[in-house]
Amino acid sequence: DGGITQSPKYLFRKEGQNVTLSCEQNLNHDAMYWYRQDPGQGLRLIYYSQIVNDFQKGDIAEGYSVSREKKESFPLTVTSAQKNPTAFYLCASSISGGTGNTQYFGPGTRLTVL
Amino acid sequence: GENVEQHPSTLSVQEGDSAVIKCTYSDSASNYFPWYKQELGKGPQLIIDIRSNVGEKKDQRIAVTLNKTAKHFSLHITETQPEDSAVYFCAASIWTGNQFYFGTGTSLTVIP
Repeated sequence: DGGITQSPKYLFRKEGQNVTLSCEQNLNHDAMYWYRQDPGQGLRLIYYSQIVNDFQKGDIAEGYSVSREKKESFPLTVTSAQKNPTAFYLCASSISGGTGNTQYFGPGTRLTVL
Repeated sequence: GENVEQHPSTLSVQEGDSAVIKCTYSDSASNYFPWYKQELGKGPQLIIDIRSNVGEKKDQRIAVTLNKTAKHFSLHITETQPEDSAVYFCAASIWTGNQFYFGTGTSLTVIP
């Protein structure tokens, strides 16, 4: 069964804590992406990685960090520096980072800060 | 950077009628325009896409049109069904790299 998996589906965090969201894909895609979605808004890019061991900041990278040590994995850490972390987080992948390659999305993780 | 605007934000249609959602973009270098459908609590699913060298693309009840001169593209759903109810997002991919810029979404409700 090929696809993108994100875990956990729901995550609760206390203020001041870091938390890591998992994203795994078995599509053999080179490029992976993290988006944040807030109610009534479009998706905003946090970080993206076009290849293993390389990643770039998106439009709203402050307070987030990522790593890309393996092709199939692109975990996102929401740090305590992120002022408003409660949101729906979506991971995506595409066959490569070249223009016009379709991005396929995972099911998302809903993070709530208590 | 690219700016994508999407209208309307909500749309209600009777079952069997057509639905049209419109998006405009600002950067003439954008050359790839996908449309996604998102059901509640799930990730977006690609439903159709179009590239800048094509003016129209159709897949059964769904079609997308692109006007490069005016920098707008539209999603057309014909013979709507209740299962078409969802939030629809348009996006534009700028020439350099594969960064997608998304519209703010249209919540479509199909009334049986």
